Amino acid sequence: DAKTTQPNSMESNEEEPVHLPCNHSTISGTDYIHWYRQLPSQGPEYVIHGLTSNVNNRMASLAIAEDRKSSTLILHRATLRDAAVYYCILRDPIIQGAQKLVFGQGTRLTINP
Amino acid sequence: EAGVAQSPRYKIIEKRQSVAFWCNPISGHATLYWYQQILGQGPKLLIQFQNNGVVDDSQLPKDRFSAERLKGVDSTLKIQPAKLEDSAVYLCASREGRVSPYEQYFGPGTRLTVT
Repeated sequence: DAKTTQPNSMESNEEEPVHLPCNHSTISGTDYIHWYRQLPSQGPEYVIHGLTSNVNNRMASLAIAEDRKSSTLILHRATLRDAAVYYCILRDPIIQGAQKLVFGQGTRLTINP
Repeated sequence: EAGVAQSPRYKIIEKRQSVAFWCNPISGHATLYWYQQILGQGPKLLIQFQNNGVVDDSQLPKDRFSAERLKGVDSTLKIQPAKLEDSAVYLCASREGRVSPYEQYFGPGTRLTVT
């Protein structure tokens, strides 16, 4: 499985932007980069995904490096409700059709009021 | 749209007992997943169904875990007999596959404590 590396924890202030980094130096050409987050006592929820180009949706933006070996999830204006564990995941390259997600440890994001 | 439903939400059993978890995916979602999440770790896939067929069960401890998805809708995950190390949250997720091929929707999970 292609691996991702994320900081164990990050802290930010409410109403400020947050940049969550993810390194994936062994990414293959067909791997999509997915981000999920898990709020306390809930199941994970999809945030965003991308392949090569930067992506935006109502929740966040995803900035992908030109060599695709790293990416950054951007929360433009963090709220207390954004406090969660954020997972950067590469779609399993071995089982292309199975949409298997391999979760790592993720980054625990704390938002200060 | 109703989300993924799971029951029970909490279960406490003694080791060597049996337990079963139930999942009802989002209507129309052909793919169903069961994950195990041990405290402090990310979820780990146990089994994936496409309709009522198994796509991937490579990480399912088949000597004690079993899962089925009859009629391609609801699914049950069973542990028999349970061990202390099975204490975890068991998450069910489903995926529609056509309009949103990459997005998995997770249920709230069942927290299992084995004593």
